[in-house]
Amino acid sequence: EPEVTQTPSHQVTQMGQEVILRCVPISNHLYFYWYRQILGQKVEFLVSFYNNEISEKSEIFDDQFSVERPDGSNFTLKIRSTKLEDSAMYFCASAAGAGELFFGEGSRLTVL
Amino acid sequence: KQEVTQIPAALSVPEGENLVLNCSFTDSAIYNLQWFRQDPGKGLTSLLLIQSSQREQTSGRLNASLDKSSGRSTLYIAASQPGDSATYLCAAKTGANNLFFGTGTRLTVIP
Repeated sequence: EPEVTQTPSHQVTQMGQEVILRCVPISNHLYFYWYRQILGQKVEFLVSFYNNEISEKSEIFDDQFSVERPDGSNFTLKIRSTKLEDSAMYFCASAAGAGELFFGEGSRLTVL
Repeated sequence: KQEVTQIPAALSVPEGENLVLNCSFTDSAIYNLQWFRQDPGKGLTSLLLIQSSQREQTSGRLNASLDKSSGRSTLYIAASQPGDSATYLCAAKTGANNLFFGTGTRLTVIP
């Protein structure tokens, strides 16, 4: 069964370092998303991406964040200069249309 | 802004019992509502999606209902099993892109 895959599963980084989280969405999907979940809190929307551009972003998605679809399969989230409060589980999701979202297993980011 | 609430926060039941998980949302103008399962430290597994025009969806022992006008959805699990132990999240889709999640109900099914 097709699935969303994310790498790395866990990344530890120093504050101020750049981090890139990678996602391979389901192959025929057209809508791509990043969400995050701080430990013990709700899953929060970060950004959605369609037709090679950001279609919506939340207040969390400030200038430190960027997304890219560098080729036909990968979808990346970059955090330019990590802060302690960026520590969270980051989930990638994809959808064929406006319906069901399928999520990956997540990338746990720990900022020291 | 859409607010999604799930009650109870935690639930413990003996194996074999039927149970209901509740989800409420403040903005009834939703596109759809999706229920997920999350195991500790793992990703989100989609269980059921109910479109705004639908009243319920069923998959195996799971049945989800939606009452848009009252801002409520329920997830019914029949004949619960220890393997059902997980956190169950509901998420309401408002606008074209954004899912608003509840904080989840942590279910423990006792053998």
